Amino acid sequence: ELKVEQNPLFLSMQEGKNYTIYCNYSTTSDRLYWYRQDPGKSLESLFVLLSNGAVKQEGRLMASLDTKARLSTLHITAAVHDLSATYFCAVDISAGNNRKLIWGLGTSLAVNP
Amino acid sequence: DGGITQSPKYLFRKEGQNVTLSCEQNLNHDAMYWYRQDPGQGLRLIYYSQIVNDFQKGDIAEGYSVSREKKESFPLTVTSAQKNPTAFYLCASSPYPMAYGYTFGSGTRLTVV
Repeated sequence: ELKVEQNPLFLSMQEGKNYTIYCNYSTTSDRLYWYRQDPGKSLESLFVLLSNGAVKQEGRLMASLDTKARLSTLHITAAVHDLSATYFCAVDISAGNNRKLIWGLGTSLAVNP
Repeated sequence: DGGITQSPKYLFRKEGQNVTLSCEQNLNHDAMYWYRQDPGQGLRLIYYSQIVNDFQKGDIAEGYSVSREKKESFPLTVTSAQKNPTAFYLCASSPYPMAYGYTFGSGTRLTVV
């Protein structure tokens, strides 16, 4: 069974602290995406990771992909309140010409003063 | 600007009624998708279409129907057979074959009254 597991599912952290969100998946894939969702809003693409060892950084967020370990991480550095949102990882599964995304359940992040 | 437009933003349905959610994109994407989002359950795929006049069931298609008569449009009908339709519905699109993930619309919140 294809599974994408994110942990933690809920995270409350103080401003200025660092933390990592993990995304484990159960099948072979060399592509993974991270999205952000604000309450009541749509999903916004954050990172597109297209190969083993890929690392992308945007502001206080950094994402990495280890396809051999089937693991992606989203690291938060010196968190600020504006980062409060739900973060989803999605694994790209290919079958011939068909590709589809398998989604994690999301990590709900609250950054407190 | 290119993007995906979902309408309406909020929709109220009486028991026993069918309602149609609109999704239009001007990104020239071949593939379009409908997801349902409930609190704590992440994203669940309802239907998807990779080309005009063709579509496939996703994981939770019962009680829903779609059409894909134009490349730009992928409306979703929530029928009276859907027993628990109150949810947030997201439409997405991508090139086919998908390369860099999905682009999402702003969502429609459907409530049964």
